[in-house]
Amino acid sequence: QKEVEQNSGPLSVPEGAIASLNCTYSDRGSQSFFWYRQYSGKSPELIMSIYSNGDKEDGRFTAQLNKASQYVSLLIRDSQPSDSATYLCAVNLDYGGSQGNLIFGKGTKLSVKP
Amino acid sequence: GAVVSQHPSRVICKSGTSVKIECRSLDFQATTMFWYRQFPKKSLMLMATSNEGSKATYEQGVEKDKFLINHASLTLSTLTVTSAHPEDSSFYICSARPLAGGPRTQYFGPGTRLTVL
Repeated sequence: QKEVEQNSGPLSVPEGAIASLNCTYSDRGSQSFFWYRQYSGKSPELIMSIYSNGDKEDGRFTAQLNKASQYVSLLIRDSQPSDSATYLCAVNLDYGGSQGNLIFGKGTKLSVKP
Repeated sequence: GAVVSQHPSRVICKSGTSVKIECRSLDFQATTMFWYRQFPKKSLMLMATSNEGSKATYEQGVEKDKFLINHASLTLSTLTVTSAHPEDSSFYICSARPLAGGPRTQYFGPGTRLTVL
């Protein structure tokens, strides 16, 4: 069973703080990793993708990947109330037959307090 | 770029009727589209993978005769919920994978909220 695990939260941080979201995955064959943001009642929006070990930064967002530990995280710097949403971690096995199917975690609900 | 639309955004129907949901990639071509379902406060559940010009691949437990998928072109896939029942009420979301994006990227449509009375 291929699984993606996330802490469901809610994770509450004050405005301006760093929010740290974590995700672990079970299949060592996983090749690509994504973070999606989903506002209540809306569909997911891709915010970050990462394929190699290390950090990848995009604006206030930094994704971190450690394949040896099967761990991927998302840091949000200078958190804003508008960042309040559920963050979904998704993993793609990315090899023959998978057709690029994503396996989603259940999401972590982030609440940024003004 | 990479915009995916869905129509309708909301639909209410009577039990026993059929509902068709359209998913379009507006500014790119997609050989593969995915259909998900999400119940309140639950994660996305992949229902089926739709490939242009061929039959859809359904996930275990998803009835192919109930959820009919047609992927007639590189920019359009449709999901028809046949003989809908109240338990089919859910948020249905499609995603599309660009031809140029390889196997890794999916872009989601805004979703369709289905309520079956």
